[in-house]
Amino acid sequence: NAGVTQTPKFQVLKTGQSMTLQCAQDMNHEYMSWYRQDPGMGLRLIHYSVGAGITDQGEVPNGYNVSRSTTEDFPLRLLSAAPSQTSVYFCASRDRGGPDTGELFFGEGSRLTVL
Amino acid sequence: SQQGEEDPQALSIQEGENATMNCSYKTSINNLQWYRQNSGRGLVHLILIRSNEREKHSGRLRVTLDTSKKSSSLLITASRAADTASYFCATDPNAGGTSYGKLTFGQGTILTVHP
Repeated sequence: NAGVTQTPKFQVLKTGQSMTLQCAQDMNHEYMSWYRQDPGMGLRLIHYSVGAGITDQGEVPNGYNVSRSTTEDFPLRLLSAAPSQTSVYFCASRDRGGPDTGELFFGEGSRLTVL
Repeated sequence: SQQGEEDPQALSIQEGENATMNCSYKTSINNLQWYRQNSGRGLVHLILIRSNEREKHSGRLRVTLDTSKKSSSLLITASRAADTASYFCATDPNAGGTSYGKLTFGQGTILTVHP
């Protein structure tokens, strides 16, 4: 099993450019989410999805768009990149389970630099 | 906002010693989880403790949870150089049902184990 696969691993953008970070999981997980990790701030939730066609905002959604057309894929779009979006982005997924479960499976991260 | 606060921010010990990391949180939870992150890699789930549990063991890991104090601790016994990593606590909030994987992460503890 590949688990959660993120591409690209590294990307450099200029201010104002747009791009899409790809995320795919092969575990048939219903729930998927995007986090960003900045030094000293842990991980912060950007957007999440509870199934195909259903997405919602997390803690820091501004400047990002998501869609979920299939169970497997959950791309994150940067609409007009800004230096403040320089970060490491992680995609995660989990099975539905119940309130007593909830282990997240993470990808290896996409390191984005905006100049 | 960051729910979890971790202490210490950094911990340096010798191989064979025990490492203890603490996490505090603010709201009621379904469960609390601990994750490990090696440098430049994604997060890996270590252990989950439910809100009605007080202590849980997994190999060399021991986790405690005190819901009255809204705090948790992770103990790694007989540490090894390979345990060198960042460790994060994450809370699964009690919102009357499943949180859909919207975990809130602490800022992490950087553990260095010297051979």
